[in-house]
Amino acid sequence: NAGVTQTPKFQVLKTGQSMTLQCAQDMNHEYMSWYRQDPGMGLRLIHYSVGAGITDQGEVPNGYNVSRSTTEDFPLRLLSAAPSQTSVYFCASSYSIRTEAFFGQGTRLTVV
Amino acid sequence: RKEVEQDPGPFNVPEGATVAFNCTYSNSASQSFFWYRQDCRKEPKLLMSVYSSGNEDGRFTAQLNRASQYISLLIRDSKLSDSATYLCVVNGGVQGAQKLVFGQGTRLTINP
Repeated sequence: NAGVTQTPKFQVLKTGQSMTLQCAQDMNHEYMSWYRQDPGMGLRLIHYSVGAGITDQGEVPNGYNVSRSTTEDFPLRLLSAAPSQTSVYFCASSYSIRTEAFFGQGTRLTVV
Repeated sequence: RKEVEQDPGPFNVPEGATVAFNCTYSNSASQSFFWYRQDCRKEPKLLMSVYSSGNEDGRFTAQLNRASQYISLLIRDSKLSDSATYLCVVNGGVQGAQKLVFGQGTRLTINP
């Protein structure tokens, strides 16, 4: 049972490049979400999904796209990377909004 | 005003001391409350859920005051291994029911 798996763990991008952060969970959780964590800001919600085919925006969605074609996977796409997107990104999943959220190990992204 | 506010610290306390953290939330419709722990450069992990009647797990006690919209965490007989950042987490309530909102975290260092 792997839990929540995020790839890659580290990434350096040039401004303007695009990429996809992968997130997969094997716990059959309906609720999945993406956060970014910046110093002094805590975790901020980017996008979330309450089930396959359903996504919604969080607090800081600009510059990011998501899709949820399966229960297991919830990729985050950076459309045109900017230095302001330098951050640590965490994917999380939970059975419901009222239960424990399990996090992936994070992706440290640097945009130069 | 932030939806969830915490004193960022840092708190530096000697081993064996008792330390208390507080957290306030702005959405009166919030229904679920948690404390998460995050070690340096790691993902957040659930420490404990917070129930209306208050709850205890070993050296940790969590309290909820719905009238004041206030959550607390008490750590007794602190250990060196308790050094971490503690995150107060609240679900978004009726309109934002599918959103977990994180406080910015309180950093705790236990000194030998």
